[in-house]
Amino acid sequence: QLQLQESGPGLVKPSETLSLTCTVSGGSISSSSYYWGWIRQPPGKGLEWIGSIYYSGSTYYNPSLKSRVTISVDTSKNQFSLKLSSVTAADTAVYYCVCLRVVVITWWGQGTLVTVSS
Amino acid sequence: QSALTQPASVSGSPGQSITISCTGTSSDVGGYNYVSWYQQHPGKAPKLMIYDVSNRPSGVSNRFSGSKSGNTASLTISGLQAEDEADYYCSSYTSSSTLVFGTGTKVTVL
Repeated sequence: QLQLQESGPGLVKPSETLSLTCTVSGGSISSSSYYWGWIRQPPGKGLEWIGSIYYSGSTYYNPSLKSRVTISVDTSKNQFSLKLSSVTAADTAVYYCVCLRVVVITWWGQGTLVTVSS
Repeated sequence: QSALTQPASVSGSPGQSITISCTGTSSDVGGYNYVSWYQQHPGKAPKLMIYDVSNRPSGVSNRFSGSKSGNTASLTISGLQAEDEADYYCSSYTSSSTLVFGTGTKVTVL
């Protein structure tokens, strides 16, 4: 049973870079069976796919965020990370790290609220 | 990419059946059998209910079923129960190798 846990600052200033890390337990991030990704949900709104990564480093990003997003994998720590640059209040959301079987989100982290405010 | 279109709300009485639609285009829902459905209770992470249009993960009640016709996918909940009251989201793979979610549907059990 995979478990995912998000970590990172809960408050980020406008124009700065949001950085989150997801620690995976119960399985290897280097498994060829899984992709790893980030989903976000602004308060009271719907889900938005941010992007996904394969352990080999191949990445797939939401076109609307692509210019600001970087997702990376650290196989030595069994972690993957999200960086979102030039944030604004519109980036305030609960951020979920997820594990996908290709395009099916099978495991979710508990989510972490990130607020963008000065 | 545009979000898939779902009705904002659907309601039904206990024991009834309800259906939630998820409308996209030939570049997403209509082009691939990679539609999933997720259930989200307030304050909780979503949970996978249906994948690849009509497949149920282990542990999900057989009261939940999925189907697709053209560019529209559907989730049917039969024998509606109080515990089914939640938000439901569809998602689809797209021709751009991305994922797109639906706008979400709030299910109310009357």
